[in-house]
Amino acid sequence: DVKVTQSSRYLVKRTGEKVFLECVQDMDHENMFWYRQDPGLGLRLIYFSYDVKMKEKGDIPEGYSVSREKKERFSLILESASTNQTSMYLCASGGNGQGYEQYFGPGTRLTVT
Amino acid sequence: QKEVEQNSGPLSVPEGAIASLNCTYSDRGSQSFFWYRQYSGKSPELIMSIYSNGDKEDGRFTAQLNKASQYVSLLIRDSQPSDSATYLCAVGYGGATNKLIFGTGTLLAVQP
Repeated sequence: DVKVTQSSRYLVKRTGEKVFLECVQDMDHENMFWYRQDPGLGLRLIYFSYDVKMKEKGDIPEGYSVSREKKERFSLILESASTNQTSMYLCASGGNGQGYEQYFGPGTRLTVT
Repeated sequence: QKEVEQNSGPLSVPEGAIASLNCTYSDRGSQSFFWYRQYSGKSPELIMSIYSNGDKEDGRFTAQLNKASQYVSLLIRDSQPSDSATYLCAVGYGGATNKLIFGTGTLLAVQP
């Protein structure tokens, strides 16, 4: 079974803090993704990575950065957290090929006060 | 702008009935289609994938794809209260990327 883990289930941070969210997968997948999910807006792609040290912007990259130093690990960084970044953050991983299947971690509910 | 559309619901069905969930998509080049189930407060779980026109069955679930009409559906037979969740339709982009576009989901409520 695919296993994707995220560093925290719940996180509360103050405005202006630097926030690190970490994701680890154990399936040797090439592709990893960070989404945020908000009521009424669905899942929106923030960044994705198709290889170590490679990254591409998704639909809403502003205010975020990412790091992928090892194949199994993909980190999302909020350089200076703001209240509008309060959300559920979901990491996913997937292999190459036609399938495009993505498997999600449990999610991190981040509250910025 | 690539889009995936779903009726937000709620779709209410009695226990034991067939639940029918629908999804339309805008990108004619899309080749892969997925259904995810998401319980309240949890992350999405992949339940079905389909790549060719027609039906694909897995237990009580049947996914149906019609590329000409740009339409994909999920049927849940013998619906159970434990099927109550939000169902997300996801469509793979055409081409070499492995990105998905998600619909906003349909909330299914199975009444005992």
